[in-house]
Amino acid sequence: EDQVTQSPEALRLQEGESSSLNCSYTVSGLRGLFWYRQDPGKGPEFLFTLYSAGEEKEKERLKATLTKKESFLHITAPKPEDSATYLCAVPSYSSASKIIFGSGTRLSIRP
Amino acid sequence: SAVISQKPSRDICQRGTSLTIQCQVDSQVTMMFWYRQQPGQSLTLIATANQGSEATYESGFVIDKFPISRPNLTFSTLTVSNMSPEDSSIYLCSVLAGDAISYEQYFGPGTRLTVT
Repeated sequence: EDQVTQSPEALRLQEGESSSLNCSYTVSGLRGLFWYRQDPGKGPEFLFTLYSAGEEKEKERLKATLTKKESFLHITAPKPEDSATYLCAVPSYSSASKIIFGSGTRLSIRP
Repeated sequence: SAVISQKPSRDICQRGTSLTIQCQVDSQVTMMFWYRQQPGQSLTLIATANQGSEATYESGFVIDKFPISRPNLTFSTLTVSNMSPEDSSIYLCSVLAGDAISYEQYFGPGTRLTVT
């Protein structure tokens, strides 16, 4: 069964304290892995798509990496405005249009 | 990229009534979806809105409860019928943009529904 698991469930950091969020997946034949940011009361905002192991993508203080079993979202020197829930998702192998989401990591950055 | 708008942004409804949510995209897209996000939880796919044919529903969701229209490649509606408090949730419209090799998923701002 296709599955996406994110950890930790919640993470509190001090401003400037770098860390990583984990997304592990089990899917037969990865077609891509998505990362999103979601602010309270809003729809998810697309961040990255990764397609193959070893691929990396960056956006400001965020860098996403991908291996054959998991993806990491590295946050370097975060600021309070980086506080949000970060979601990862993968297309189902049986139906690429069906996107399976993890439960998310709630990130809180204290000034 | 794709810019998606939804109406209404929020509503408070009485049980037993129905609400229709509209989703408008600024470009033509083939794949359009409706999701539900209950408080504190992740996203659950309700259905794929197919242009010119009936929507494809995920397990646990049925057409009588969540009828969907998709009259063209830029617009869709989701109706939540005969509402109960358990239907209180955020409903999100989403599209896939790109091709089979490289694609991205975009979401609308969501409709926050409260059923009393």
